[in-house]
Amino acid sequence: DIQMTQSPSSVSASVGDRVTITCRASQGIGDFLIWYQQKSGQAPNLLIYSASSLHSGVPSRFSGSGYGTNFTLTINSLQPEDFATYFCQQANSFPLTFGQGTRLEI
Amino acid sequence: QLQLQESGPGLVKPSETLSLTCTFSGGSIRSTDYNWGWIRQSPGKGLEWIGSFHYSGDTVYNPSLKSRVTISADTSKNQLSLKVNSVTAGDTAIYYCAYWSRSSGWFDPWGQGTLVTVSS
Repeated sequence: DIQMTQSPSSVSASVGDRVTITCRASQGIGDFLIWYQQKSGQAPNLLIYSASSLHSGVPSRFSGSGYGTNFTLTINSLQPEDFATYFCQQANSFPLTFGQGTRLEI
Repeated sequence: QLQLQESGPGLVKPSETLSLTCTFSGGSIRSTDYNWGWIRQSPGKGLEWIGSFHYSGDTVYNPSLKSRVTISADTSKNQLSLKVNSVTAGDTAIYYCAYWSRSSGWFDPWGQGTLVTVSS
């Protein structure tokens, strides 16, 4: 199985800050990397797929980059609604696997 | 707009079978364009992919669960079902169904999730 490791596990930031979250795959996955946002008590929501493609309706302050084993999710100019937990997922091979999550706190 | 909703018992006894249903609106489970998935989330294991299903019968399971899991469809009710046999406390989780993009691998939208607790 491909292991997905996110860092940091939690991060504190303020409204208006820029935040970067990292996801590392245990082996190369090309650009088959997906990012989700999950708010407390809700299901995850798709943010980015194919490492850098923004899902429809997602604000442009979210961006993703990377290829192979190292990926980043960047959120520019944090808004109050961005404080949530973020997960990465690889879709290069079965079983599909997720990172453990990064909690973004105020 | 595609919407999904999970339903089923919130409490299952150890060694018994967990059975959940996912009901769709805004789309047909019989559509050859659609793939579906089940994912669960627990504090101990995080997000765990259970399996993905296509109406053609092309179903893929997580090897860690494959021997205990069955995903199937009831086309008359536009529902997807999940069965997990011989459950233990380790199967306690929030269970989600979701639309799955086979080409890109993402899940969206997700149902709201249903909590299943395994306990005697």
